[in-house]
Amino acid sequence: DIQMTQSPSSMSAFVGDRVTISCRASQGISNYLAWFQQKPGEAPKSLIYGASSLQSGVPSRFSGTGSGSDFTLTISSLQPEDIATYYCQQYSTYPLTFGGGTKVEIK
Amino acid sequence: QLRLQESGPGLVKPSETLSLTCTVSGDSSVITGYYWGWIRQPPGKGLEWIGNIFYSGTTYYNPSLESRVTISVDTSKNQFSLKLNSVTAADTAVYYCARRYSTTWRFSTHWYFDLWGRGTLVAVSS
Repeated sequence: DIQMTQSPSSMSAFVGDRVTISCRASQGISNYLAWFQQKPGEAPKSLIYGASSLQSGVPSRFSGTGSGSDFTLTISSLQPEDIATYYCQQYSTYPLTFGGGTKVEIK
Repeated sequence: QLRLQESGPGLVKPSETLSLTCTVSGDSSVITGYYWGWIRQPPGKGLEWIGNIFYSGTTYYNPSLESRVTISVDTSKNQFSLKLNSVTAADTAVYYCARRYSTTWRFSTHWYFDLWGRGTLVAVSS
């Protein structure tokens, strides 16, 4: 199985700050990587697929980069509504696997 | 607008079978052409992929659950279902159904989860 490791597991930042979340795959997955946002009590919401393609309707302050085994999700200017847990997920190989999540809070 | 809705018992006894159905609504023949998946999330924990089914019936399961899982599809009802047998307390989780959408990005085909149901909590307890 491909292991997905996210860092940090939690973080806090000020409104307006630039936030970066890392995701590392235990082997190369090309760009078959998705990012999800999950707010408390809600289902995950698709943000990015193909490592860097923004899902329709997602604000442009979200962006994704990376290829191979190292990936990054960036929020260019953190907003109060961005408080959530973020998950990466690889869909290169079965079984599909998720990272452990990064909880983002406001300072 | 396409909508996914999970349904089924919220409480299952240990050693019995967990059965859930996901109904897809919003358009006719909405099941056709896509993969459909089940993902679960134990309380306070992360996401675990359970398995996928293509509309034609081809299935892929997580090896960690494969001996206990069956996913089926009924295109006439726009539904797909999950059965997990011999459940224990470790199977207590919110269960989500989701669609795997296909698109071409940078010359490759990407099958990613684009739409999710709201999830349903299933507790395993006597």
